[in-house]
Amino acid sequence: EAQVTQNPRYLITVTGKKLTVTCSQNMNHEYMSWYRQDPGLGLRQIYYSMNVEVTDKGDVPEGYKVSRKEKRNFPLILESPSPNQTSLYFCASSLSFLGGADTQYFGPGTRLTVL
Amino acid sequence: DQQVKQNSPSLSVQEGRISILNCDYTNSMFDYFLWYKKYPAEGPTFLISISSIKDKNEDGRFTVFLNKSAKHLSLHIVPSQPGDSAVYFCAASGQAGANNLFFGTGTRLTVIP
Repeated sequence: EAQVTQNPRYLITVTGKKLTVTCSQNMNHEYMSWYRQDPGLGLRQIYYSMNVEVTDKGDVPEGYKVSRKEKRNFPLILESPSPNQTSLYFCASSLSFLGGADTQYFGPGTRLTVL
Repeated sequence: DQQVKQNSPSLSVQEGRISILNCDYTNSMFDYFLWYKKYPAEGPTFLISISSIKDKNEDGRFTVFLNKSAKHLSLHIVPSQPGDSAVYFCAASGQAGANNLFFGTGTRLTVIP
């Protein structure tokens, strides 16, 4: 089954404790992206990657890092989480950067709480 | 600054009636627009899209209308069904087919049986 998986689905942590949210897709997609969803703000793009070893900032990259060492994986790293990073996070992938936004597949989401 | 806006956070409609969800945008460079549907505990899924060269696109019960001069688009669902109850996000792209999307804040649709 074609899918985007994220782990963990739920995470409660404390300020300053480094964490990684993993994202994996099994569709051989080139393009991957991370979004955060906050009440009253919709989904905002954090980082995206057009291919292996190619990453770029989205609209709200501050406080986040990403890496794309393999095509299927695109982890989101919070080196020193802060309470304002409490949010619902979505990973997404599509065949290519110009593959069409309507072919973008989203993961189920990771709800992160930073105390 | 929010470039894509959905001013109605919620909408309730009777089953069988029409649901109309609205979306406004401010960036005139947007030329591709999409609607996503999201159920609880799931990621958004693509529903329907429209290019700026069109003013209407229809797919079964779902129709999207685009008014470029007003920078406004709407999603019509006819007839509405209880399974349509979800949060609907409007999104826009600055380039047809590009994946960097700007999302609205979402409208929660409840279809009452």
